[in-house]
Amino acid sequence: AQSVTQPDIHITVSEGASLELRCNYSYGATPYLFWYVQSPGQGLQLLLKYFSGDTLVQGIKGFEAEFKRSQSSFNLRKPSVHWSDAAEYFCAVGANRGSTLGRLYFGRGTQLTVWP
Amino acid sequence: SAVISQKPSRDICQRGTSLTIQCQVDSQVTMMFWYRQQPGQSLTLIATANQGSEATYESGFVIDKFPISRPNLTFSTLTVSNLSPEDSSIYLCSVSGLAGGSSYEQYFGPGTRLTVT
Repeated sequence: AQSVTQPDIHITVSEGASLELRCNYSYGATPYLFWYVQSPGQGLQLLLKYFSGDTLVQGIKGFEAEFKRSQSSFNLRKPSVHWSDAAEYFCAVGANRGSTLGRLYFGRGTQLTVWP
Repeated sequence: SAVISQKPSRDICQRGTSLTIQCQVDSQVTMMFWYRQQPGQSLTLIATANQGSEATYESGFVIDKFPISRPNLTFSTLTVSNLSPEDSSIYLCSVSGLAGGSSYEQYFGPGTRLTVT
């Protein structure tokens, strides 16, 4: 069965500190992996994605994520957090459906608080 | 990326009534989805909206409660029928298979926040 686990419900970091948000997935096929960010009252914005190739992927806003097949993980990182990064972060997994992307399975989200 | 709009952005409805949410995309897309995000929860897929045919519903969601239309490649509606307070959620439209763009990305609309009193 497909599933995504984000073990940390809430993380608090100081501005300027590094950040790592954890994500583990269970998926039978080759996974398509995503990180989304949701600010209060907003929709979901795609931060980055992994389909194949280089296991370290760069995204927007200075975020990166590393795919580790052996650990079924796709952790999100940022070297220096800004106060504007405070938001909810969702990890998701999907698969191709023909020539396009099918539905996504989401983790429960990690709420990031940034202290000034 | 795709620009997705949803109407209304929020609404307060009385129990027993219905709300229809519209999703409009600025480009043709292959797949359209409707998700629900209950307060403090993650996203749960309600259904996949299929153009010209009945939507494909996930377990626990039925057509009578959540009728969906998709008349073309850029537009879909979700109706939440016979509202109860438990239907208070954010409803999000998403798309993938963007014409002229990446087929393997999924974009989300801004959501519709529904409160049932």
